[in-house]
Amino acid sequence: AQSVTQLGSHVSVSEGALVLLRCNYSSSVPPYLFWYVQYPNQGLQLLLKYTTGATLVKGINGFEAEFKKSETSFHLTKPSAHMSDAAEYFCAVRAGGFKTIFGAGTRLFVKA
Amino acid sequence: ETGVTQTPRHLVMGMTNKKSLKCEQHLGHNAMYWYKQSAKKPLELMFVYSLEERVENNSVPSRFSPECPNSSHLFLHLHTLQPEDSALYLCASSQDRTGTTYNEQFFGPGTRLTVL
Repeated sequence: AQSVTQLGSHVSVSEGALVLLRCNYSSSVPPYLFWYVQYPNQGLQLLLKYTTGATLVKGINGFEAEFKKSETSFHLTKPSAHMSDAAEYFCAVRAGGFKTIFGAGTRLFVKA
Repeated sequence: ETGVTQTPRHLVMGMTNKKSLKCEQHLGHNAMYWYKQSAKKPLELMFVYSLEERVENNSVPSRFSPECPNSSHLFLHLHTLQPEDSALYLCASSQDRTGTTYNEQFFGPGTRLTVL
């Protein structure tokens, strides 16, 4: 069975500071991992994904994530936060069939 | 229209009403999904269709009835709902024919449903 845990339902950073959103997963097969972002009154939008190959994955808007198999983690980072990054972020794992398991989400607040 | 569209964007209904949510994808994808998003809960997968055939049905109450007439359209028919069914209902699509490829999903903006 697969599962996703996002540590911290809320994260607050200052504009220009490092963004770190944590995600740990559990999967009985090699996982395919995703980060999605949701802005208010919108659906989810893909930020980046890991399938196979290079473990450091770059996405849109300056975000990147590193797949660490030994730690079963897929943390999302951005070197310098922007006010426009304020949104809810979802980590997800897909392994087998059509089912994607989503984490509970982390709301990112960016202070001026 | 581009991407995934959903109508209506907002819906208020009484417990005895019957209504339908509509989703249309303009991406040429062959899999479509319904999700329920409630406050403080992870996204809940409700139904998945691949090439118009239902392939996932996650113990959803029978008051929710999906319909997929073709690979571009997906409906969710609602009847005799309960107040706890109030949520954001998201439709998504992906290019996944057999469920053995793991492409990302493209989401619509959702329908905000309120059941009185």
